Amino acid sequence: QVQLQQSGPGLVKPSQTLSLTCAISGDSVSSKSAAWNWIRQSPSRGLEWLGRTYYRSKWSNDYAVSVKSRITVNPDTSKNQFSLQLNSVTPEDTAVYYCARGTIATGFDPWGQGTLVTVSP
Amino acid sequence: QSALTQPPSASGSPGQSVTISCTGTSSDVGGYNHVSWYQQHPGKAPKLMIYEVSKRPSGVPDRFSGSKSGNTASLTVSGLQAEDETDYYCSSYAGSNNYVFGTGTKVTVL
Repeated sequence: QVQLQQSGPGLVKPSQTLSLTCAISGDSVSSKSAAWNWIRQSPSRGLEWLGRTYYRSKWSNDYAVSVKSRITVNPDTSKNQFSLQLNSVTPEDTAVYYCARGTIATGFDPWGQGTLVTVSP
Repeated sequence: QSALTQPPSASGSPGQSVTISCTGTSSDVGGYNHVSWYQQHPGKAPKLMIYEVSKRPSGVPDRFSGSKSGNTASLTVSGLQAEDETDYYCSSYAGSNNYVFGTGTKVTVL
């Protein structure tokens, strides 16, 4: 049974970097059949896919156009986890952030427990 | 990329059926058979209920079914039960390694 456990701060100041980590159990971040995603949810923007990392013959990333200039999703094979960094945050980035395993063919399953990140001075 | 359109609410009596629509465009829902549905209880993470338009993950009751016609996908919950009362979201692959979610529907069991 795959489980995802998120960690990271719940409060970030404007213009700073939001950083979250998602630890994987029951699967490998290097799996050639999985992709590892970050998704956020806010009352104003609803559910929004942010980006993913995955390994086939090499590591690849895909990012949503809305955050492409500010986002990095990285794998950490030594700890079997992956991370999200979102730079230059504003109050509009306030949301519950989720990590999730998923590909085009499988849907997003499972999801992490979610982390409420508030951007405020 | 615009969100997929879902009705804000839907309702049905216990034992009845309710169907939720998810309308997109030919660039997402209509262009790919990669539509999924999620159930989300308050304060919890979404749970996958349907993937690839109509496939059910292991453990999801067969009361939940999915379909698609043109640019609109649908989720039907048959034999409504009290625990089905919550929020539901659709999602679709939107090309160019991108995904889009629906606006969400609150299902009420009368």
